[in-house]
Amino acid sequence: DIQMTQSPSSLSASVGDRVTITCRASQSISTYLNWYQQKPGKAPKLLIYAASSFQSGVPSRFSASGFGTDFTLTINSLQPEDFATYYCQQSFSTPLTFGGGTKVEIK
Amino acid sequence: EVQLVQSGAEVKKPGESLKISCKGSGYSFTNSWIGWVRQIPGKGLEWMGIIYPGDSETRYSPSFQGQVTISADKSISTAYLQWSSLKASDTAMYYCARHPYNWNCCGMDVWGQGTTVTVSS
Repeated sequence: DIQMTQSPSSLSASVGDRVTITCRASQSISTYLNWYQQKPGKAPKLLIYAASSFQSGVPSRFSASGFGTDFTLTINSLQPEDFATYYCQQSFSTPLTFGGGTKVEIK
Repeated sequence: EVQLVQSGAEVKKPGESLKISCKGSGYSFTNSWIGWVRQIPGKGLEWMGIIYPGDSETRYSPSFQGQVTISADKSISTAYLQWSSLKASDTAMYYCARHPYNWNCCGMDVWGQGTTVTVSS
């Protein structure tokens, strides 16, 4: 199985801050990397697929990049609605493993 | 509108069987993989497995192989997740989600609302 490691596991930030979340795969996964946002009590929501392609409706303050084993999700100018938990997921091979999540909290 | 609607919350005793459902609408159900994801309260997302309703090809995570069965009835656009003998450790929220194209492309773009399963004596 491919292991996905996210860092940090949590962070505190203020509205307007720029935050970066990192996801590392245990082996190369090319660009088969997806990012999800989950708010408490809600189903996850797909933000980014194929490492850097935006799902429809995702605000432009989100950006993502990476290839191989190292990937990042950046939120520029954090908004109140962005406080949530973010998960990466590899879709290079089954089982399609998720990272452990990064909880973005209000400072 | 593309939707996945899951069956309601369940409360079961250890050892009981259970089958929960996920009904798709607004798209061609047979042409998109459906995946199941577990979330234990307060924990992260765990990928359980996927099924292609068109031919019922199924792939499981080794962590869940033999513990659950994933199936689909394409005639009613419904996927299922079932247990033959529940354990307390199966207590969790279970989500179904669609892969719009192949399982390795484009993420899981539409999610069901989740089904809470509680297993307690």
